[in-house]
Amino acid sequence: DVKVTQSSRYLVKRTGEKVFLECVQDMDHENMFWYRQDPGLGLRLIYFSYDVKMKEKGDIPEGYSVSREKKERFSLILESASTNQTSMYLCASSLAPGGLGNEQFFGPGTRLTVL
Amino acid sequence: AQTVTQSQPEMSVQEAETVTLSCTYDTSESDYYLFWYKQPPSRQMILVIRQEAYKQQNATENRFSVNFQKAAKSFSLKISDSQLGDAAMYFCATSNTGNQFYFGTGTSLTVIP
Repeated sequence: DVKVTQSSRYLVKRTGEKVFLECVQDMDHENMFWYRQDPGLGLRLIYFSYDVKMKEKGDIPEGYSVSREKKERFSLILESASTNQTSMYLCASSLAPGGLGNEQFFGPGTRLTVL
Repeated sequence: AQTVTQSQPEMSVQEAETVTLSCTYDTSESDYYLFWYKQPPSRQMILVIRQEAYKQQNATENRFSVNFQKAAKSFSLKISDSQLGDAAMYFCATSNTGNQFYFGTGTSLTVIP
């Protein structure tokens, strides 16, 4: 079974802090994704990566950056956390070949609260 | 651009009954897939069912089936013989050639014993 893990289930940070959210997958997937989930808004794509050291902006990249130094690890960085970044953050991964119909596998999520 | 609309924020169903969750979408892609994901209260999203847009036959996975109406851009999920474990948030999604997903806002399903 594919396993996608995220470094924390719950995180509380203060405004202005730099925040790192880590995601690791164990199935050699090429694609990795970061979403934020808010009530009434569903899941919105922040950033994604098709390969090591590659990154692409999603629909809401402002205030975020990412890093993918190794294939299995995809980090989301909040350079200066703000209260409007309080949210649930979900990481996902998928195989690249035949990508169109490939399932995305999700991690358990990180509930981030910015005070 | 791709958009997905789930017009039912909340639904409820009696245990053992059947419920249908609605989803409409819009896409400019010539080829795409459609997905239903389930997110139980523990928050791990899991795939329920997927449908390739070129296939006319509706996908089925045990008690879960879809009604795919391509011309109407509709992709509803039917859950038969509902069980308590079906209680969850359900998300409809489409994908593009880069395996980017576009999700709806979700439908929260309550199963009444």
